[in-house]
Amino acid sequence: AQSVTQPDIHITVSEGASLELRCNYSYGATPYLFWYVQSPGQGLQLLLKYFSGDTLVQGIKGFEAEFKRSQSSFNLRKPSVHWSDAAEYFCAVGDSGTYKYIFGTGTRLKVLA
Amino acid sequence: EAQVTQNPRYLITVTGKKLTVTCSQNMNHEYMSWYRQDPGLGLRQIYYSMNVEVTDKGDVPEGYKVSRKEKRNFPLILESPSPNQTSLYFCASSNGQVGYGYTFGSGTRLTVV
Repeated sequence: AQSVTQPDIHITVSEGASLELRCNYSYGATPYLFWYVQSPGQGLQLLLKYFSGDTLVQGIKGFEAEFKRSQSSFNLRKPSVHWSDAAEYFCAVGDSGTYKYIFGTGTRLKVLA
Repeated sequence: EAQVTQNPRYLITVTGKKLTVTCSQNMNHEYMSWYRQDPGLGLRQIYYSMNVEVTDKGDVPEGYKVSRKEKRNFPLILESPSPNQTSLYFCASSNGQVGYGYTFGSGTRLTVV
């Protein structure tokens, strides 16, 4: 069965430091992969997505993610975190067969001034 | 502005009192879905709709109903709410292509006492 694992429930980084949020998936075929961000009191906003092509994808707000098929991973990165990046981040995989999206349980990011 | 609108944003109700959470999208999207978000559990799909008059159960449909009489609207109905349905609810829509991803509403925080 398809699944998405985000191993880190909470991550704390200092403002200006680099960030990497981990996401591992289980899916039989080539997956559609997504990262969403949920700011406090808001809905989820799409940061970036991947299906094919260049394995390093750029998104909004300065985020990027790298698809590594051999590791079944799609980790989210940002070179320099801003205080406004404090939010919860969700990784998701889209199943083209069932048209369902499976979400990870989220990683909550705290940014220290 | 392309958006998914949910109402109300906050709702406190009593056990057994029927309620409806409305969801409307202005993007002519075919696919709409309802999720609930609970701490530690991520997002779980309640119901989804592939098009008008076409709905199907997600992973946690018990205690909920939906209808899709118009393309833009997808209300969530709780006929007899119970305290275990206290949660944060999100409506989302997509254009019918799994690689597109979702546009989410801002959420409805429901408390059942």
